[in-house]
Amino acid sequence: DVKVTQSSRYLVKRTGEKVFLECVQDMDHENMFWYRQDPGLGLRLIYFSYDVKMKEKGDIPEGYSVSREKKERFSLILESASTNQTSMYLCASSFVGTGGYEQYFGPGTRLTVT
Amino acid sequence: GDSVTQMEGPVTLSEEAFLTINCTYTATGYPSLFWYVQYPGEGLQLLLKATKADDKGSNKGFEATYRKETTSFHLEKGSVQVSDSAVYFCALSEGGNKLVFGAGTILRVKS
Repeated sequence: DVKVTQSSRYLVKRTGEKVFLECVQDMDHENMFWYRQDPGLGLRLIYFSYDVKMKEKGDIPEGYSVSREKKERFSLILESASTNQTSMYLCASSFVGTGGYEQYFGPGTRLTVT
Repeated sequence: GDSVTQMEGPVTLSEEAFLTINCTYTATGYPSLFWYVQYPGEGLQLLLKATKADDKGSNKGFEATYRKETTSFHLEKGSVQVSDSAVYFCALSEGGNKLVFGAGTILRVKS
């Protein structure tokens, strides 16, 4: 079974703090993704990575950065957290391919910024 | 750009009722289409998929048919159970590895 794990299920941070969200997958997938999920907006892609040290901006990268130093690990960084970054964050991974490839999701981290 | 539109929820049904959740898409080419399900407190998991026109994806009693002429991929189930209560997301992938998701539809099934 593919497993995607995220470092925390719930996180509460203060405005201005630097926040790290960690994601690890155990299936040797090339692709990894970070999404945020908000009611009525579905999932929006923040960043994705198709290889170690490679990254590409998604639809809403502002205020976020990422790091992929090892194939199995993909980190999302909020350099200076703000209240509008309160959300559910989902990590996913998949094989490289042209369409039809399933993404496997972690359980999510619910981040609250106060 | 590519987009996915789903019917708004929540959809509330009684057990054993018939379910339809509408999904239409906009894409420049020929995307692959997916339905994902998110149970309470969990991440998303793939429910079914279809990779070309007229394909039917099916799983756990759910099915959806890829209709190119109407750019639709409606999700159906003949008899829903309380355990089907979840959020359902329609998504597409066009020629790459990224998915574009709809807003999600909450399904509530009452016993």
